Amino acid sequence: GQNIDQPTEMTATEGAIVQINCTYQTSGFNGLFWYQQHAGEAPTFLSYNVLDGLEEKGRFSSFLSRSKGYSYLLLKELQMKDSASYLCAVMDSNYQLIWGAGTKLIIKP
Amino acid sequence: GAVVSQHPSRVICKSGTSVKIECRSLDFQATTMFWYRQFPKQSLMLMATSNEGSKATYEQGVEKDKFLINHASLTLSTLTVTSAHPEDSSFYICSARVSGLAGGMEETQYFGPGTRLLVL
Repeated sequence: GQNIDQPTEMTATEGAIVQINCTYQTSGFNGLFWYQQHAGEAPTFLSYNVLDGLEEKGRFSSFLSRSKGYSYLLLKELQMKDSASYLCAVMDSNYQLIWGAGTKLIIKP
Repeated sequence: GAVVSQHPSRVICKSGTSVKIECRSLDFQATTMFWYRQFPKQSLMLMATSNEGSKATYEQGVEKDKFLINHASLTLSTLTVTSAHPEDSSFYICSARVSGLAGGMEETQYFGPGTRLLVL
């Protein structure tokens, strides 16, 4: 079956760095996405990885290792507004997004 | 980035009535749109894939006669919840697929703001 695993909840301190991991097993691979979802709102697109390596975009970076079925989202200089759920999603061979359950990130002052 | 709108943002209706939700891609054409529902503290659940000019493809367990989807143009898809019941109360979110963008972000999905449905 298809499976996306990510931690349920993480806590970090304002100004610090946090890494949210995602491992996946899917039928085919056409890219991995990270989305941010604030409570009560729809997800917003953060990043897309299809090749191995690190993609940096401001305070957020996303890493992919296809051979290991692994990705992480790295958030630097954490701000209180970064408190949200972070969803990992993999696009399978049918171009369907397979969603992880999301990681709730709690930022403490 | 691409902008997707959704209307209404919130709706309260009586049991047995029908509710229509619109999803529009504002600055691009979307041949494919997706409809999700999300229960509190749970992940997104794909309901159906909507392709412009053809019938929607429903996920297993989703009643096509209850959740009517129409994708009449490249910028508009609608979801109609027919004869709504309290158990249909949920957060409904649409997304539109953007293909062929520069930078390798093909097939990225951009989401509408969501519609919160409460059936009394």
